[in-house]
Amino acid sequence: DGGITQSPKYLFRKEGQNVTLSCEQNLNHDAMYWYRQDPGQGLRLIYYSQIVNDFQKGDIAEGYSVSREKKESFPLTVTSAQKNPTAFYLCASTANNEQFFGPGTRLTVL
Amino acid sequence: SQQGEEDPQALSIQEGENATMNCSYKTSINNLQWYRQNSGRGLVHLILIRSNEREKHSGRLRVTLDTSKKSSSLLITASRAADTASYFCATDEIQGAQKLVFGQGTRLTINP
Repeated sequence: DGGITQSPKYLFRKEGQNVTLSCEQNLNHDAMYWYRQDPGQGLRLIYYSQIVNDFQKGDIAEGYSVSREKKESFPLTVTSAQKNPTAFYLCASTANNEQFFGPGTRLTVL
Repeated sequence: SQQGEEDPQALSIQEGENATMNCSYKTSINNLQWYRQNSGRGLVHLILIRSNEREKHSGRLRVTLDTSKKSSSLLITASRAADTASYFCATDEIQGAQKLVFGQGTRLTINP
């Protein structure tokens, strides 16, 4: 099956801990994205990468970090500097202007 | 930055009726897209309309684009209970990088 996978589906962490969310795609897409979605809200762009070993900050990058060492993988780390990390996180990749989304990871900080 | 704004924020109609959602944006765009999100899931692409197009159809979906008013509408005809979802418009700015800016969405409920 071709597509985007995110893991885990649900993640619980204590306040002050760093956590890493996984995003993998086998669509051979160059560009990948991370979004945050809060309840009843739209998507806000955290980071994006248009090519391997390169990435740019989105609108709400503070408290997050990413890496893009492989074309297939674009992990997101939520650091302790992110003041309100509880949210739904969506990863996407793009081809011909259309974005393909993963199923999301729901992060809850206790 | 939030570019698109959907209207209404929530819409509830009876099965079989048509549903119309609107989106307004602020800057010049290359194209506008509509996505659907079922509760707790990722988004699914529905349709893309380019800035030089005025109307596009896909099955029961009809999208219009008015670049002079910086607005778009999504019409779902003969709605079904399975159409219950949130619908988002997304735009990419002409001078921006290859990234989309999403609106806050319209929550559509189809009552059987």
